[in-house]
Amino acid sequence: NAGVTQTPKFQVLKTGQSMTLQCAQDMNHEYMSWYRQDPGMGLRLIHYSVGAGITDQGEVPNGYNVSRSTTEDFPLRLLSAAPSQTSVYFCASSPDRVGYNEQFFGPGTRLTVL
Amino acid sequence: AQKVTQAQTEISVVEKEDVTLDCVYETRDTTYYLFWYKQPPSGELVFLIRRNSFDEQNEISGRYSWNFQKSTSSFNFTITASQVVDSAVYFCALISAGGTSYGKLTFGQGTILTVHP
Repeated sequence: NAGVTQTPKFQVLKTGQSMTLQCAQDMNHEYMSWYRQDPGMGLRLIHYSVGAGITDQGEVPNGYNVSRSTTEDFPLRLLSAAPSQTSVYFCASSPDRVGYNEQFFGPGTRLTVL
Repeated sequence: AQKVTQAQTEISVVEKEDVTLDCVYETRDTTYYLFWYKQPPSGELVFLIRRNSFDEQNEISGRYSWNFQKSTSSFNFTITASQVVDSAVYFCALISAGGTSYGKLTFGQGTILTVHP
């Protein structure tokens, strides 16, 4: 089991560029989520999904899109990158449908927007 | 809405001291789940414990113990005889079973623990 994998590990973008952060899990988990971590603010939920074809917004969804076409993959798209999106992004999955159990986190993607 | 507050931004102790990390939460739901995660300097997030709102028993795991008190909405974490390897950022988190917080895990701001040799 690879667990939760994220690519890339590091990324530098220019303002206005778009990109997709990849997240995959091989544990057949229904629940997947994306968080951003900023100094002094903990982790904040961006979007989450309770199964293939179902997504919903978290606390800070603006500027990000997600889709869930398969159980395994949950990509996060930045439509037009802004410096305020400089952060560390974590993807997570959980074995129950709504995240009540332990969430398994990926290693993170460090994104810098210039 | 739900909220988690970790009032201690940073704590510094000397090895072998006991240390308690505070966590206070807010939720309108009667069914909810509380978590503690550890983030060592390497950056990954490590699950430590999960507790549901109907189980107020304290838990001990080696040098770690957790005190859950619904009356004060607190879920505090104590490390006994701290070690340098305990140096990390510790996060408390909450997910509620209903309402607008359904499916949404809320984290506290985190407490940076530094254990000096």
